[in-house]
Amino acid sequence: NAGVMQNPRHLVRRRGQEARLRCSPMKGHSHVYWYRQLPEEGLKFMVYLQKENIIDESGMPKERFSAEFPKEGPSILRIQQVVRGDSAAYFCASSPGGQPTDTQYFGPGTRLTVL
Amino acid sequence: GDSVTQMEGPVTLSEEAFLTINCTYTATGYPSLFWYVQYPGEGLQLLLKATKADDKGSNKGFEATYRKETTSFHLEKGSVQVSDSAVYFCALSDNYGQNFVFGPGTRLSVLP
Repeated sequence: NAGVMQNPRHLVRRRGQEARLRCSPMKGHSHVYWYRQLPEEGLKFMVYLQKENIIDESGMPKERFSAEFPKEGPSILRIQQVVRGDSAAYFCASSPGGQPTDTQYFGPGTRLTVL
Repeated sequence: GDSVTQMEGPVTLSEEAFLTINCTYTATGYPSLFWYVQYPGEGLQLLLKATKADDKGSNKGFEATYRKETTSFHLEKGSVQVSDSAVYFCALSDNYGQNFVFGPGTRLSVLP
């Protein structure tokens, strides 16, 4: 059973460009979470999605950031007009259900560098 | 809001030493508690978890007990190895399971 897949593993963008990060959850998981990790810091929650629905986006910056989890295909985290402060590792996690006792399984992350 | 506090690192130990990494939390209701480990350049891996008071999670020689009275979930290992060098994150899942709240992480270095 493949784990959570994320691609690309490393992404370099210049200021003003767009970044698209992809996440394929574990088989059978319909709940996806995105987190951001700044250097030497913990993970900060960004958004929680189920298929075709955004459940909680309280951790997402109000501008430039968006996320989706379509009926078919991976979840996408999109950052428009990137700035240097967006440089971070972005982790996706999935769980089989949205229960508090459920383990979230993490992908290897996408490390975004904005030049 | 919910929060998790961990002891500041880095923590440096010699091989076979005893390890304790303190974790305390603030939450409404009854969260589930987790320890994750992150090796350099990798994602987080679940180390252990506990879903109710007095539960003990254990894995690979690590253990932690969910103490509701002290709102703590301290991680312990009796004899660390060089391969345990990593960053350890304590986390809680709120009542609604909608997202995890992570502590800042504690970096552990084990010297041979």
